[in-house]
Amino acid sequence: EDQVTQSPEALRLQEGESSSLNCSYTVSGLRGLFWYRQDPGKGPEFLFTLYSAGEEKEKERLKATLTKKESFLHITAPKPEDSATYLCAVLRGGSSNTGKLIFGQGTTLQVKP
Amino acid sequence: GAVVSQHPSRVICKSGTSVKIECRSLDFQATTMFWYRQFPKKSLMLMATSNEGSKATYEQGVEKDKFLINHASLTLSTLTVTSAHPEDSSFYICSARDPRRAYEQYFGPGTRLTVT
Repeated sequence: EDQVTQSPEALRLQEGESSSLNCSYTVSGLRGLFWYRQDPGKGPEFLFTLYSAGEEKEKERLKATLTKKESFLHITAPKPEDSATYLCAVLRGGSSNTGKLIFGQGTTLQVKP
Repeated sequence: GAVVSQHPSRVICKSGTSVKIECRSLDFQATTMFWYRQFPKKSLMLMATSNEGSKATYEQGVEKDKFLINHASLTLSTLTVTSAHPEDSSFYICSARDPRRAYEQYFGPGTRLTVT
């Protein structure tokens, strides 16, 4: 069964304290792995798509990496405005692909000044 | 690019009435849109996949007669909650696939539904 697990569930950091969020997945033929940021009361905001193991993408203080079993979202020198819930999702490949994403439960990040 | 809007952002209705939520892709044509529901401090739960010009595909456990989905054009999908009850109160979010960007989905800002 396809599954996405994110850890930790919640993370508190001091401003400037770098850390990583984990997304472990089991899926039948990965078509893509997606990272989103969600602020309270808003829809998820697209961050990255990763398609194959070894791929890396960066955006400001965020860097996403992908292996065959998991993805990491590295946050370098975070600022309070990085506080949000970060969601990971996978898209299964193959003929049964309907385009629907399988989401993890999210990691809620709080960055204190 | 890849902007998705939803309307209304908030709605309060009385039990037994119906509510329609609109989802629009503003700068691209979306043959496929998705409707999600999110409970407080929980992740997104996919309700249905909406395909332009055809019937929506509902996830297991989602009542298709209660949550009516129409995808009449390449830029508009609607979700109608019929005979709403307090337990239907939730945060509803739509997303759309941008065919220019492979499999990426872009989400609307969400609609907060409160049924009294």
